Amino acid sequence: EIVLTQSPGTLSLSPGERATLSCRASPSLGSSYLAWYQQKPGQAPRVLIYGASTRATGIPDRFSGSGSGTDFTLIISRLEPDDYAMYFCQQYGSLPRTFGQGTKVEIK
Amino acid sequence: QVQLQESGPGLVKPSETLSLTCTVSGGSIRSYYWSWIRQSPEKGLEWIGYIFYSGSTNSNPSLKSRVTISIDTSKNQFSLKLTSLTAADSAVYYCAGYSSNWYSWFDPWGQGTLVTVSS
Repeated sequence: EIVLTQSPGTLSLSPGERATLSCRASPSLGSSYLAWYQQKPGQAPRVLIYGASTRATGIPDRFSGSGSGTDFTLIISRLEPDDYAMYFCQQYGSLPRTFGQGTKVEIK
Repeated sequence: QVQLQESGPGLVKPSETLSLTCTVSGGSIRSYYWSWIRQSPEKGLEWIGYIFYSGSTNSNPSLKSRVTISIDTSKNQFSLKLTSLTAADSAVYYCAGYSSNWYSWFDPWGQGTLVTVSS
């Protein structure tokens, strides 16, 4: 099973600041089969990024993803009020599908 | 666009079996792999298993002995049965799909249904 470890657990930032979220895979994914999701309270996760770096339909370009193998990053270039939420990474290269434990982006 | 809706009981007793159904609308049930995923504060997001319209299934080894996933293409529905429930199975249960390309992310998702295991 691939274990995904996200850091930090919580990120406290002001609107307009840059958010950098990390997701580390163990063992290596050996691919770019990694997605990032945003989840707000009471809602299902929604995909932001797939293939480690491809934005899903309708996702603003302030969201960007990068990485391969073991280290992946989600960057929100300039935080907007709507971006304060939980973020999860998920690998889809092998079974069982697994998720990271999440990073909460909160308003400072 | 494809939409999913979970249905089932919100409260189940320990040792009993949970039965949930996901209804697919706005698209063909034959176009996706269909999964069940659950989320709890203790375990986070946990993939339970998937089914394809052909009936091919797979499930998380951590739950495999207790999980049955089935599909009814005539009703555009797929279902989850989870046996021998304990309090640790209390969670929000989501149904989700991913494209018929096996290497794909989860999209769409249902809104989720809260299941509490308690006597």
